[in-house]
Amino acid sequence: QVELVQSGAQMKQPGSSVQLSCKAPGNIFDRYGISWLRRAPGQPLEWMGVVVPLFDVKTFAQKFHDRITITADKSTNTAYLDMNNLNSDDTAVYYCARVKLGNSWHFDLWGRGTLVTVSS
Amino acid sequence: SYVLTQSLSMSVAPGETARISCGGSNLQSYSVYWYQHVPGQAPLLLIYYDQYRPSAIPERFSGSKSGDTATLTIDAVEVGDEADYYCQMWGPSSTALPVFGGGTHLTVL
Repeated sequence: QVELVQSGAQMKQPGSSVQLSCKAPGNIFDRYGISWLRRAPGQPLEWMGVVVPLFDVKTFAQKFHDRITITADKSTNTAYLDMNNLNSDDTAVYYCARVKLGNSWHFDLWGRGTLVTVSS
Repeated sequence: SYVLTQSLSMSVAPGETARISCGGSNLQSYSVYWYQHVPGQAPLLLIYYDQYRPSAIPERFSGSKSGDTATLTIDAVEVGDEADYYCQMWGPSSTALPVFGGGTHLTVL
């Protein structure tokens, strides 16, 4: 069964940084992109950014553009989300999602999520 | 920035039909996608390109669009359908950003 395998839950101090990983099957970056999204408690899904190595595209939501980095390691089929300067509002479940490319991009496969808790 | 509008919540009884709407300016010009999210689980793509279902999605789920309003219809609702449902669009260029609706929580009474 095709799935995206995400790294485990993390607890972080305010002001610190976090790196999350998302391992995909096969040579995913030859045909797809990877996005990161999150869902905070009581909040809707929130898109954070996307990396599409095939088109040399990296795009971030304005809200996060100065705090996150998304990278794609083609050798290991793994995408990473790095976020710095964490605060309590960043407590959320973070999801990676495979981006189906074409005339209109969308998310056709999702990881199970990684819980990040930011607390002192 | 572009906004997709969904009602916050709705309730249906098992066996009934749920219709979840999603509106946006000139939405008729964009493809609409629908996702189901049960908190604690991975979100699931239900509908793509307005009306098409991935092979693993039951026929009870269908999508349509009329003018600037897209609708997700769930026939014969089951208790297991209780979840949050999101519509989403993505502009036509590689520099466009994806937009999600605020989500509709479906309660199955």
